Amino acid sequence: SAVISQKPSRDICQRGTSLTIQCQVDSQVTMMFWYRQQPGQSLTLIATANQGSEATYESGFVIDKFPISRPNLTFSTLTVSNMSPEDSSIYLCSVRGRGHSYEQYFGPGTRLTVT
Amino acid sequence: DAKTTQPPSMDCAEGRAANLPCNHSTISGNEYVYWYRQIHSQGPQYIIHGLKNNETNEMASLIITEDRKSSTLILPHATLRDTAVYYCIVRSQGGSEKLVFGKGTKLTVNP
Repeated sequence: SAVISQKPSRDICQRGTSLTIQCQVDSQVTMMFWYRQQPGQSLTLIATANQGSEATYESGFVIDKFPISRPNLTFSTLTVSNMSPEDSSIYLCSVRGRGHSYEQYFGPGTRLTVT
Repeated sequence: DAKTTQPPSMDCAEGRAANLPCNHSTISGNEYVYWYRQIHSQGPQYIIHGLKNNETNEMASLIITEDRKSSTLILPHATLRDTAVYYCIVRSQGGSEKLVFGKGTKLTVNP
């Protein structure tokens, strides 16, 4: 398994501002994933971030709104830009396990409230 | 869209076995069944996965029917800490790493 930490754990932000969420992993991993969980809903994949290449975004998510950085094999950031109340969600990063079974391990999440 | 169907909620008495069903009637031959759970206010936790054989680990057992159209996750001795939303997900290995989460089953373990 992998140990994943996220910062901040929660934040309250004003609309129109941006927040950068950090994800740190205790080991080198090739693929990192960013998910969103809106209130009372299930998780939705935002994008996949590989080190050294542009992130791949899922339908409905764009780079201008959710820019992602992946500077090395243990770290990634997700920025939520020009926030609106509809961006209030839990944002989670995950990584693929080191074995061959393709399971994913998730961070504790960042709870974002936009007022 | 998720390829699985799960009951929205289930209850289980503490110490008893919890059997969580999942229907995946359109599963392809190269797709695995994965189970995750999400305890309130935490990130999802990987539990177990399988292709066609039954699997067991320290957390749970996974029973997959012979036609692979459904499966059951078994928590042999449920505790209050097992109260969570349980997600059944099918995906292939080697293709997209994407996990498509459905609505899952909210399991409540009662004292």
